[in-house]
Amino acid sequence: AQTVTQSQPEMSVQEAETVTLSCTYDTSESDYYLFWYKQPPSRQMILVIRQEAYKQQNATENRFSVNFQKAAKSFSLKISDSQLGDAAMYFCAYRVPDGGATNKLIFGTGTLLAVQP
Amino acid sequence: GAVVSQHPSWVICKSGTSVKIECRSLDFQATTMFWYRQFPKQSLMLMATSNEGSKATYEQGVEKDKFLINHASLTLSTLTVTSAHPEDSSFYICSAGTIQSYNEQFFGPGTRLTVL
Repeated sequence: AQTVTQSQPEMSVQEAETVTLSCTYDTSESDYYLFWYKQPPSRQMILVIRQEAYKQQNATENRFSVNFQKAAKSFSLKISDSQLGDAAMYFCAYRVPDGGATNKLIFGTGTLLAVQP
Repeated sequence: GAVVSQHPSWVICKSGTSVKIECRSLDFQATTMFWYRQFPKQSLMLMATSNEGSKATYEQGVEKDKFLINHASLTLSTLTVTSAHPEDSSFYICSAGTIQSYNEQFFGPGTRLTVL
């Protein structure tokens, strides 16, 4: 069974600094998708970044980038120039592409990120 | 685009009553909708997957008769918590996906249910 592990329950970063959130997963599939979601206090889930497993290039979205290590089954999120608005719970998620719309996501336990001014 | 709404945003009910939560895709047709449950400071737990016009697929351990899911149209899915009890109090989140956006789910804002 696929599992997603986030080993850091809480992290803290100074404003303008860089922080890396860890995520590992377990799967026997070769083609899949990985995501990082942000859940601020409003609890609205927001997609931060996605990575397709067949792409070797790490995904980047403005200040957010990932370090995708397929062989190690690792998918960390780096937030550069941290801002107060980045404070939230961050979830790593895994999806097996099944060729349809039933794209079930498996979530990690989350990392609560605090940003210190 | 890709907006999902939920109604109500919060609800308080008495033990033993039933509560219906609506999930709507506002600007797209959702082939599949998902219902999650989230306890405070915990992750999202998938409860069930529903496809328009067919029965929902429930995750292991989720009571089908307790959590009734109906996906009557491509823009509306409902979750009914029947005979609610205090332990059903939680945050319920829906999400929607389409064949066109098969690699992404769009999440609703969630519904907080409190059962007294």
